Amino acid sequence: EAAVTQSPRNKVAVTGGKVTLSCNQTNNHNNMYWYRQDTGHGLRLIHYSYGAGSTEKGDIPDGYKASRPSQENFSLILELATPSQTSVYFCASGDAGHNTGQLYFGEGSKLTVL
Amino acid sequence: GEQVEQRPPHLSVREGDSAFITCTYTDPNSYYFFWYKQEPGASLQLLMKVFSSTEINEGQGFTVLLNKKDKRLSLNLTAAHPGDSAAYFCAVSVPGTGSNRLTFGKGTKFSLIP
Repeated sequence: EAAVTQSPRNKVAVTGGKVTLSCNQTNNHNNMYWYRQDTGHGLRLIHYSYGAGSTEKGDIPDGYKASRPSQENFSLILELATPSQTSVYFCASGDAGHNTGQLYFGEGSKLTVL
Repeated sequence: GEQVEQRPPHLSVREGDSAFITCTYTDPNSYYFFWYKQEPGASLQLLMKVFSSTEINEGQGFTVLLNKKDKRLSLNLTAAHPGDSAAYFCAVSVPGTGSNRLTFGKGTKFSLIP
């Protein structure tokens, strides 16, 4: 049973449009993360959250917003999508209590901005 | 912040041969180390989690070596088989941040020579 689920799995958007990527986790983890994966760059952290109501900037936050309305849900928002944001986006959750750093990843969301 | 360099970006070997993937990191306080495997079109799956107190960890068909003095983490695929074809990512975590925040290498795309 998938513990971290993302939607949509595939999305085509137009330049300047708004895109929302959603993530739901049933691990009861405090921490959640949004990464993007691009060839030659590996995974880069966009935003993360320590719990409901909190969002923090990662390494590449420009052009993205995040929202954590509940323990289970963490959204990534592109208010004005650009072609440079074409990528595969991964959501992950982690247990802050153990503080081991292990993350559990969703299946990924492929975004194409035309 | 932490910097992680992973080499090589691409690696091909014959079935049954061994293969090495290496990551170097910069933060001497790094304590948790991870190898993730990503099959084409799929999410990241944890291959092995290594703590800094253990230098050699063995899994099924692979060995992970940690050299804290040189700040180097290595993955040795001992006898490559078709199921090993995938991308491999190392990741490093610094304790005490409370965020499970991982810094990833850029990945190694591994395949078998037909």
